[in-house]
Amino acid sequence: VQLVESGGGLVQPGGSLRLSCSASGFTVSRYAMHWVRQAPGKGLQYVSAISSNGGVTYYADSVKGRFTISRDISKNSVYLQMSSLRVEDTAIYYCVRAWGGDWGQGTLVTVSS
Amino acid sequence: DVVMTQSPLSLPVTLGQAASISCRSSQSLVHSDGNTYLNWFHQRPGQSPRRLIYQVSKRVSGVPDRFSGSGSGTDFTLRISRVEAEDVGVYYCMQSTHAWTFGQGTKVEIK
Repeated sequence: VQLVESGGGLVQPGGSLRLSCSASGFTVSRYAMHWVRQAPGKGLQYVSAISSNGGVTYYADSVKGRFTISRDISKNSVYLQMSSLRVEDTAIYYCVRAWGGDWGQGTLVTVSS
Repeated sequence: DVVMTQSPLSLPVTLGQAASISCRSSQSLVHSDGNTYLNWFHQRPGQSPRRLIYQVSKRVSGVPDRFSGSGSGTDFTLRISRVEAEDVGVYYCMQSTHAWTFGQGTKVEIK
């Protein structure tokens, strides 16, 4: 099992960014997939999830209405579209499979002017 | 939302000695299916978190048996029987019964 995140970078407040999580060794259509973030020097925060059938999504209150999780089964990938970004969204964003047994290496998102 | 509270937040330990971390939830973590979805993770500096324990007391394959989890309902404990140098880092409890919530983390360091 391997999860590889990409798409992070520096963005201005109010801007947008799309994170990708490319999965290998398993099929994303068979597992719930999650995004967890970690601000610099801080703890872990649950961000979003998509169910195994893709029909149910979850968002933390802090990102609801600004972030959208999705997946592309043909590319075996999961995405996190982030808009109206705030300074407090600065963090490493991890892609996580199912019940938390597999994590990617993370991608750093920095929101700053 | 379920709030997870860990203590202590900092834990200096002596090599070879035992260590315990407490985790309390603001509501019962017993799922409607009868299982309790309480996990423990370990994160070393610069690395992704690694799951050690799931469903309160089940050790992930490859995790040394010096790590053990216990508890029920709202009170849980991670115990390291004999701390080794590689055990330093931050430990997080996480509940996945009601969406996911993480504890604040407990930093374990060698005295």
